[in-house]
Amino acid sequence: QQQVKQSPQSLIVQKGGISIINCAYENTAFDYFPWYQQFPGKGPALLIAIRPDVSEKKEGRFTISFNKSAKQFSLHIMDSQPGDSATYFCAASKNYQLIWGAGTKLIIKP
Amino acid sequence: SQTIHQWPATLVQPVGSPLSLECTVEGTSNPNLYWYRQAAGRGLQLLFYSVGIGQISSEVPQNLSASRPQDRQFILSSKKLLLSDSGFYLCAWSRIGQNTGELFFGEGSRLTVL
Repeated sequence: QQQVKQSPQSLIVQKGGISIINCAYENTAFDYFPWYQQFPGKGPALLIAIRPDVSEKKEGRFTISFNKSAKQFSLHIMDSQPGDSATYFCAASKNYQLIWGAGTKLIIKP
Repeated sequence: SQTIHQWPATLVQPVGSPLSLECTVEGTSNPNLYWYRQAAGRGLQLLFYSVGIGQISSEVPQNLSASRPQDRQFILSSKKLLLSDSGFYLCAWSRIGQNTGELFFGEGSRLTVL
């Protein structure tokens, strides 16, 4: 069964610090690797996504690093802010299907 | 622009009662449609997805069913709710033919079964 393993389950970072969330996948046939951000009581929203032929993608304070040989990818949040406190999900996409990680609850302490 | 509407936002139902959650998408045609469930503090569990009218695939065997009576309408139903059906139900859509992994989620329906 295809899986995406996400760690850590929860993370506490001081304001201004770097938040790092890691994911690993088992199938090599995925097309995209998106990250979603979910605030309490809301649906997830796409944050940033990367193709498997790209090693890094940066959008503002958010960066995805992708290691195809290791089948791993990670989300880095630079200069973390209290407003970044949310649950983050990594996923792997193939056609119209997404395989989701279990989520990471991120808390940014002021 | 595209929008997704999901209702009701909150409902409390007794065990054994029926359920109907509705989702509609505006501003696009032939979307892929999805129903997810999220238990408190947990991840996303795909329940059903549909790539067209009359085409619905079930991911998890349970007492829930889904229907797509119109191109942009997706309904989640149950004839008899169980306590374990409690959770946060999310409808989502994606553009047909686009494989970027981008899903657009509704605001969710929080179901409590007592």
